[in-house]
Amino acid sequence: QVQLLQSGAEVKKPGASVRVSCKTSGYTFSKFGVTWVRQAPGQGLEWMGWVSAYNGGTNYAQRFQGRVTMTTDTSTTTGYMELRSLRSDDTAVYYCARDLWGSTADTWGQGTLVIVSS
Amino acid sequence: DIQMTQSPSSLSASVGDRVTITCRASQGIANYLNWFQQKSGKAPQLLISAASNLQSGVPSRFSGSGSGTDFTLTINSLQPEDFATYYCQQSYSSPYTFGQGTKLEIK
Repeated sequence: QVQLLQSGAEVKKPGASVRVSCKTSGYTFSKFGVTWVRQAPGQGLEWMGWVSAYNGGTNYAQRFQGRVTMTTDTSTTTGYMELRSLRSDDTAVYYCARDLWGSTADTWGQGTLVIVSS
Repeated sequence: DIQMTQSPSSLSASVGDRVTITCRASQGIANYLNWFQQKSGKAPQLLISAASNLQSGVPSRFSGSGSGTDFTLTINSLQPEDFATYYCQQSYSSPYTFGQGTKLEIK
């Protein structure tokens, strides 16, 4: 069955970077993309962007442009999300999800908690 | 960006009840509307895509309707496992924004 397994929780200082991984299995990786969504504590869902596993093309939400990089590794069927210049309001659970075009995430990872604190 | 507004923000209901959650888009989005369920401490689960397309494995008591700017999610005969937070999301144009969520609680 389709599964997405994310890396473990991270604690970072303001100004640092974080890289979250998303190991996929159970489907043809290159036929889909990976969407990233985050959720601050007690808050709603925020779409961050999408990366194609076919050609590496990306579509980022404007508010993250210049600060986020999403990539894939087809040899390991893994997606990655790097967020730089972290601030305290980046503290959130970050989810990856399988998504054909970036607009409909049909299977999600378990989430990765990123805490940004001095 | 397209703004998505859900109502109500919270809702109390009993097992066996029928409930309806509404979602309004700030501009027309045809039928490009998804519904997700999120249980406490868990990842969201896609229930419905394209406004009314029930995902495989989702119980038939869930249904979605609407087009343009106004959409509804209906749950018939609530079950204990349905108490969760529900989000709509527009899949019409990037960024693919979510509503603020509707928390469904047991009365």
